[in-house]
Amino acid sequence: AQSVAQPEDQVNVAEGNPLTVKCTYSVSGNPYLFWYVQYPNRGLQFLLKYITGDNLVKGSYGFEAEFNKSQTSFHLKKPSALVSDSALYFCAVRAPSNTGKLIFGQGTTLQVKP
Amino acid sequence: DSGVTQTPKHLITATGQRVTLRCSPRSGDLSVYWYQQSLDQGLQFLIQYYNGEERAKGNILERFSAQQFPDLHSELNLSSLELGDSALYFCASSVATQGTTEAFFGQGTRLTVV
Repeated sequence: AQSVAQPEDQVNVAEGNPLTVKCTYSVSGNPYLFWYVQYPNRGLQFLLKYITGDNLVKGSYGFEAEFNKSQTSFHLKKPSALVSDSALYFCAVRAPSNTGKLIFGQGTTLQVKP
Repeated sequence: DSGVTQTPKHLITATGQRVTLRCSPRSGDLSVYWYQQSLDQGLQFLIQYYNGEERAKGNILERFSAQQFPDLHSELNLSSLELGDSALYFCASSVATQGTTEAFFGQGTRLTVV
């Protein structure tokens, strides 16, 4: 069965510092991995995805993610955090099957303090 | 704006009642997904339709049903509502059903059962 774990309920960083939001996954075969962000009272916004190829994926708003097959991880990173990055972040996995359903982690709240 | 439209934004109803949530996918997207977001269960996949046909089913209760119409909009019907059904219900759409395409989410319908 597919699963995603986000080990931290909350991550706190100071503005200007680098940030990392962790994600590990379990799936049969090669995974398709996604990061979404949810602002208060809003829907989920797509940030980036890993399908194949380069292990470092660049996405929206300066975010990037590093795929590590041996550690089954897909950590979200940003070199310099902004207060406006404060939100709820979800990692999701999809198995290469004929359905498109996403399995989400429980979410990590990112708090960036000025 | 993701291009996915959900109505209504908020819904308050009594236990035992039936409600219908509506979703219009992005133009050109054939796949529609429904997710439930609650504090205790997180983001749970409910059901997927592709071009009018059910494609995948998740943790959807028998009291819940969905359909996708010829114009590709979708409705999620929730009946015999219980207090525990209170949640944020998201619709998402993607152009295809295969795993490489990202899904775009609507802003959700917040259902409160009293």
